[in-house]
Amino acid sequence: DIQMTQSPSTLSASVGDRVTITCRSNETISTSLAWYQHRPGRAPNLLLYKASDLQSGVPSRFSGSGSGSEFTLTISSLQPDDFATYYCQQYNSYPYTFGQGTRLDIE
Amino acid sequence: DVQLVESGGGLVKPGGSLRISCVASGFTFTSYTMNWVRQAPGKGLEWVSSTSSGGVLTHYGDSVKGRFTISRDNAKNSLYLEMKNLRVGDTGVYYCARDWAVRSGFFDSWGQGTLVTVSS
Repeated sequence: DIQMTQSPSTLSASVGDRVTITCRSNETISTSLAWYQHRPGRAPNLLLYKASDLQSGVPSRFSGSGSGSEFTLTISSLQPDDFATYYCQQYNSYPYTFGQGTRLDIE
Repeated sequence: DVQLVESGGGLVKPGGSLRISCVASGFTFTSYTMNWVRQAPGKGLEWVSSTSSGGVLTHYGDSVKGRFTISRDNAKNSLYLEMKNLRVGDTGVYYCARDWAVRSGFFDSWGQGTLVTVSS
């Protein structure tokens, strides 16, 4: 199975900050990577797919990059709604696997 | 609007069985691969299973293989997960999720989840 590792596990930041979350896979997955935002008590929300394609309706302050085994999610200017947990997910091969999550807290 | 509504969760003893359901609306259900994803208390997301649009192809995560069975009834726009020999570690919120496109592998629509608790 492909293992996905995110860093950091927790991140404290303020409104307006630029933040970056990293996701690494232990095998090459090309650009078969998605990012999700998950707020407590709500359904997860797809942000990006194919490593860098923005899902319809997602604000442009979210961006993604990477290929192979190293990927990043960047939020250019944090807004109050962005404080949540973020997950990467590989869909290169079954079983699909998620990273352990990065919790983004208000500093 | 796309809607996915899960039901059937509850409390079950270790070794027991449970079937959860997901009813879909707002899109052509028969065209999409569908999935179950779960989240244990205080833990991250874990993909559980997927079924192709016609229900012929299925895949499972290692932790549930041989115990869980995914199925769908396209006439009823419904997705199911039959869970047997349940373990305490199967406790969590189970989400129904739709593939973004045919066999895309990532999920653009999710239900609100149904809670399964395995405890004696």
